Amino acid sequence: AQKVTQAQTEISVVEKEDVTLDCVYETRDTTYYLFWYKQPPSGELVFLIRRNSFDEQNEISGRYSWNFQKSTSSFNFTITASQVVDSAVYFCALSEALWNFNKFYFGSGTKLNVKP
Amino acid sequence: GAVVSQHPSRVICKSGTSVKIECRSLDFQATTMFWYRQFPKKSLMLMATSNEGSKATYEQGVEKDKFLINHASLTLSTLTVTSAHPEDSSFYICSAALGPLAGANTDTQYFGPGTRLTVL
Repeated sequence: AQKVTQAQTEISVVEKEDVTLDCVYETRDTTYYLFWYKQPPSGELVFLIRRNSFDEQNEISGRYSWNFQKSTSSFNFTITASQVVDSAVYFCALSEALWNFNKFYFGSGTKLNVKP
Repeated sequence: GAVVSQHPSRVICKSGTSVKIECRSLDFQATTMFWYRQFPKKSLMLMATSNEGSKATYEQGVEKDKFLINHASLTLSTLTVTSAHPEDSSFYICSAALGPLAGANTDTQYFGPGTRLTVL
């Protein structure tokens, strides 16, 4: 079974629109971490956010915001007023161990196309 | 901070040759490094976890004799694709995690820019 599901394969929006990327995860651990990474066309994964399982506060960083809902096992990512530079593939990832550097379970990624 | 480099960024080689890819953590010591493979328009597939000074742990289905990993220091891990074949052509990405003494974010992985391997 997929531990991290990103159901949206590809999304296209027009610049300045808001867009939400969905991420649903599955784990039996009580301690886990969730991540979002951005992969622009150049290929390098850029770290965006890390959220631990005990902190359900939503986070906002500029135009980016994240909504962590343990009740629905979701960790959604919203870009407000999207820009062309936001075009990339976005990956959600789950890590199930705090100190043991266990492997990341990556979602399949969502490709975001922001058109001018 | 937390910059990871990879070299080379792109390599083209003939079938049967071996290719070495380096992964370096530039401004931190990485107890653990990871090697991933990514096919076009696909997600990252973990190949192996590499701890400094010990043997790498390979994921199921990954041939350890074909993909040799060496983690000789806290800032350098290498992946050698031995006797490369066209089916080994892919985008290889490494990542590094901070050591346990680094405090917060020890589990966050920082990724290198990737190496595109083409085997002719």
